[in-house]
Amino acid sequence: EVQLVQSGAEVRKPGESLKISCKASGYRFSIYWIGWVRQMPGKGLEWLGIIYPGDSETIYSPSFEGQVTISADKSINTAYLQWSSLKASDTAMYYCARRSNYYDILTGDYARYMDVWGKGTTVTVSS
Amino acid sequence: EIVLTQSPGTLSLSPGERATLSCRASQSVSSSFLAWYQQKPGQTPRLLIYATSSRATGIPDRFSGSGSGTDFTLSISRLEPEDFAVYYCQLYDNDSSLFTFGPGTKVDIK
Repeated sequence: EVQLVQSGAEVRKPGESLKISCKASGYRFSIYWIGWVRQMPGKGLEWLGIIYPGDSETIYSPSFEGQVTISADKSINTAYLQWSSLKASDTAMYYCARRSNYYDILTGDYARYMDVWGKGTTVTVSS
Repeated sequence: EIVLTQSPGTLSLSPGERATLSCRASQSVSSSFLAWYQQKPGQTPRLLIYATSSRATGIPDRFSGSGSGTDFTLSISRLEPEDFAVYYCQLYDNDSSLFTFGPGTKVDIK
């Protein structure tokens, strides 16, 4: 079974650092991009960025570049999202999700969407 | 950067009615790059539709997607009680390799 298992809920103080994880199983981790999505309380989905575990190429949403760091360790099939100095505004649910490699014969394009999602990690930043 | 808008913001309907949700992109996109997700309170987003009109595994056929260019639609033919949720469209920008989500449409019980 293909799945992404995320690390547990975290509570931190402003200014602290944090690294949350997303462990993949059931498929070849290194050849699928893994993305991260934020959902602030009561709000919509925001896409933070994505990483290709095979070579660690990373692409960030302009809104989040410099605010978070995405990394991956293909030897243990795990992707990470980290902060060096948390703010109260980082309080949110964070999801990891796998980008599909489905080839759309009708258009001749690879369809781009997130086909497998982790259950999310709640991050609470409060003094 | 391509911007997605969804309308309406909230759709109030009764079970058995048809729901039509709109997603509009700020510029023309490939139909391969448009997907729809459903999210219920306290749950993970669930993939419904990919490549504009293909249903994901296990998704009932009352859900359908259509559209092209800048205008895309998610239709739910007859609302079941479990369909009341928030629906997001998502777009992939092939030039920047970035994804973006629409703001969502909430379908609630009238």
